[in-house]
Amino acid sequence: LAKTTQPISMDSYEGQEVNITCSHNNIATNDYITWYQQFPSQGPRFIIQGYKTKVTNEVASLFIPADRKSSTLSLPRVSLSDTAVYYCLVGPRTTGYSTLTFGKGTMLLVSP
Amino acid sequence: ETGVTQSPTHLIKTRGQQVTLRCSSQSGHNTVSWYQQALGQGPQFIFQYYREEENGRGNFPPRFSGLQFPNYSSELNVNALELDDSALYLCASSLDTRPNEQYFGPGTRLTVT
Repeated sequence: LAKTTQPISMDSYEGQEVNITCSHNNIATNDYITWYQQFPSQGPRFIIQGYKTKVTNEVASLFIPADRKSSTLSLPRVSLSDTAVYYCLVGPRTTGYSTLTFGKGTMLLVSP
Repeated sequence: ETGVTQSPTHLIKTRGQQVTLRCSSQSGHNTVSWYQQALGQGPQFIFQYYREEENGRGNFPPRFSGLQFPNYSSELNVNALELDDSALYLCASSLDTRPNEQYFGPGTRLTVT
């Protein structure tokens, strides 16, 4: 499984756009990139998944360059409630079994 | 649509005892995974069940075992509890066609004394 590297922590202010970058240099051809969000004392929440270029949903955007060796999760106009740990995971889409391995994630702190 | 639920919310056990944690999958989901999360760490994969059979396991000893029932609910059993087993135990369900898009429950906080 591809190893991921992401910053341990990031700070931001309300209303700003936050970009969290994840490195995955040994990503395989059939790997997808998935991001989760976790609030304290809660289970992680699926945010977004992509394979290449750009994916956007109502919560975030995911940018993946052509070489796919990194990806960037973009959170538009963050609020205090976006303070959480964000995990970047890489693994193939399979049927019937998960290939996700969580690292320590990035702790995002949003201040007023 | 009912989300993933877990019971109990909190549990205190003594070293050497056995514990059973329960999980109800999100409606329509047929795959369930269990994770252990220590303070300050990411969730660590314990095992996964699909069609009532274990089809993936992380680096956990055999005293961690599980079951998946026909209604896709699940149990995690831990025997001979150790102090290091104190953690948040998370259950996640998914469709077999999208196993990496998992929906987590709120977790069970287990404390072993």
